[in-house]
Amino acid sequence: NAGVTQTPKFRVLKTGQSMTLLCAQDMNHEYMYWYRQDPGMGLRLIHYSVGEGTTAKGEVPDGYNVSRLKKQNFLLGLESAAPSQTSVYFCASSPLSSYNEQFFGPGTRLTVL
Amino acid sequence: GQQVMQIPQYQHVQEGEDFTTYCNSSTTLSNIQWYKQRPGGHPVFLIQLVKSGEMKKQKRLTFQFGEAKKNSSLHITATQTTDVGTYFCAGSGSSNTGKLIFGQGTTLQVKP
Repeated sequence: NAGVTQTPKFRVLKTGQSMTLLCAQDMNHEYMYWYRQDPGMGLRLIHYSVGEGTTAKGEVPDGYNVSRLKKQNFLLGLESAAPSQTSVYFCASSPLSSYNEQFFGPGTRLTVL
Repeated sequence: GQQVMQIPQYQHVQEGEDFTTYCNSSTTLSNIQWYKQRPGGHPVFLIQLVKSGEMKKQKRLTFQFGEAKKNSSLHITATQTTDVGTYFCAGSGSSNTGKLIFGQGTTLQVKP
């Protein structure tokens, strides 16, 4: 099992460009999450999904959109990138259980110039 | 909204010394989880605490959940260089979404 994978690993964008980050998991998990990590800020939840076809806003959703058309994939989109979106993005998944342990992907380092 | 505060932000210790990080929530939590992130890596789950006053041990690591389920601590006895990294607590409210609110993390440096 590959666990949680993220593509790309690194990306540099210019202000105003758009891009999509892909997260895939092969553990048949129901829940998936997108976080951003900035120095001194910990991990902040952007959007999450409790199942295929459903998404919901987290703490910092502005400027991002998500889609979960297939259970194993969770896409994070930036429509018009801004320098404030320079960050490391982590995807995570967890099973439908009371334990709720989250499994994280390796992260995507995004720089917006 | 719900906030989870973690202190200290940084801790430098000599190898063999003990280390503790503390986590406080603004609201009562249904459970709390702890994660470790090595430099350049991703967070990795360590443990979950669910019951009021619960304590769990993993070798040299001791985790505690407060009686009011609003605070938690992680204590490492006799640190080793392999303990280097950032330790995050993450609290869950009463929803069934699995959502976690992460603390800011404590970065531990261990001098050999």
